[in-house]
Amino acid sequence: DAKTTQPPSMDCAEGRAANLPCNHSTISGNEYVYWYRQIHSQGPQYIIHGLKNNETNEMASLIITEDRKSSTLILPHATLRDTAVYYCIVRVESNAGNNRKLIWGLGTSLAVNP
Amino acid sequence: SQTIHQWPATLVQPVGSPLSLECTVEGTSNPNLYWYRQAAGRGLQLLFYSVGIGQISSEVPQNLSASRPQDRQFILSSKKLLLSDSGFYLCAWSPRQNTEAFFGQGTRLTVV
Repeated sequence: DAKTTQPPSMDCAEGRAANLPCNHSTISGNEYVYWYRQIHSQGPQYIIHGLKNNETNEMASLIITEDRKSSTLILPHATLRDTAVYYCIVRVESNAGNNRKLIWGLGTSLAVNP
Repeated sequence: SQTIHQWPATLVQPVGSPLSLECTVEGTSNPNLYWYRQAAGRGLQLLFYSVGIGQISSEVPQNLSASRPQDRQFILSSKKLLLSDSGFYLCAWSPRQNTEAFFGQGTRLTVV
């Protein structure tokens, strides 16, 4: 079972910031938060990941709460091409046993509207 | 830079026919390799993963098998396809330290 919960769908106006929430209340101290997105009929694409500190890259920003029980992915200026399903995943960065696997939930379907 | 190739993009096969989907990775060594399946409107289900040549772990009992004949080649096979094998199949790789995963473009398989 997925260790995260996300709203099933969200809307965002083009050019505005999209804020996608994720709850991971049972996260362990050594588990990272990863975000991927999947545009229709394509393979998932890695976006960003973090452990404790907020992270930013060319695609997005990741805000993790101090207690690490939730996080928010921010797309600062959403475009129509950002319409996709966004997946939040928690996992340990280890190559041992079950840590090799990613457990995927159903994600949030983000619709960016013109 | 690393790239992952997966083919074919779409495939229509009759029930009872064999299947072979191939995935290759370029620009890296000793990757972890994965096969996932995604049913319509659902999340990704891990089918197989491999941490080295000839090393395959199966996650769910099924009609499929996987092989890794070379370090950067991962093959998904079936001797006789079932209707329930229809779906979107994704190959992925991750570095040995198991950080982010990178996915191929997927194969949409329809068994008729």
